[in-house]
Amino acid sequence: SQQGEEDPQALSIQEGENATMNCSYKTSINNLQWYRQNSGRGLVHLILIRSNEREKHSGRLRVTLDTSKKSSSLLITASRAADTASYFCATLDTGRRALTFGSGTRLQVQP
Amino acid sequence: DAGVIQSPRHEVTEMGQEVTLRCKPISGHDYLFWYRQTMMRGLELLIYFNNNVPIDDSGMPEDRFSAKMPNASFSTLKIQPSEPRDSAVYFCASSMIRGFDGYTFGSGTRLTVV
Repeated sequence: SQQGEEDPQALSIQEGENATMNCSYKTSINNLQWYRQNSGRGLVHLILIRSNEREKHSGRLRVTLDTSKKSSSLLITASRAADTASYFCATLDTGRRALTFGSGTRLQVQP
Repeated sequence: DAGVIQSPRHEVTEMGQEVTLRCKPISGHDYLFWYRQTMMRGLELLIYFNNNVPIDDSGMPEDRFSAKMPNASFSTLKIQPSEPRDSAVYFCASSMIRGFDGYTFGSGTRLTVV
């Protein structure tokens, strides 16, 4: 079963704009992770945020976590055409032992 | 390290045939996971291993599916007999510490059962 639900399902922006994707989940978690998947490829780990953290940065990525609302957001600043991909959130739920992935957001960055 | 290596990349087989998917995890990673990805169901965990021992196979859809990890550098996922609804992309991933760091995924095996 899918824990996280991403919003929106699809997003199209112009190069240079910021892209924001949201993820909601249902249960208590140890951490939440974001992954990128290019068409026909495997998933690539982007960033991990622990349940006791509220915000984390990595390069052009900014992730926030609100455990009271059971939600997270991924912000990609100054997007590039190469950022075109699907983005998935994944949660490590307390009491579970492997990541549960959401349904993903398809991001299209127009050059 | 060459990353997680899966083979074959593509597999087309006839219904009823046996299919074996292979995975070589990253050396030193203690955890190995098999996921299946479809448009309808997204990414589903099938089974995972810790130190070559199967820990949770509750995601394996039915008895037609089996997985083994005979040593730290090799795992197989077998489907026998295969059915058209098994068509999906099967991913293998490995990690050092279950869920407490990121997973490294292989490129996947696209299985088509006709």
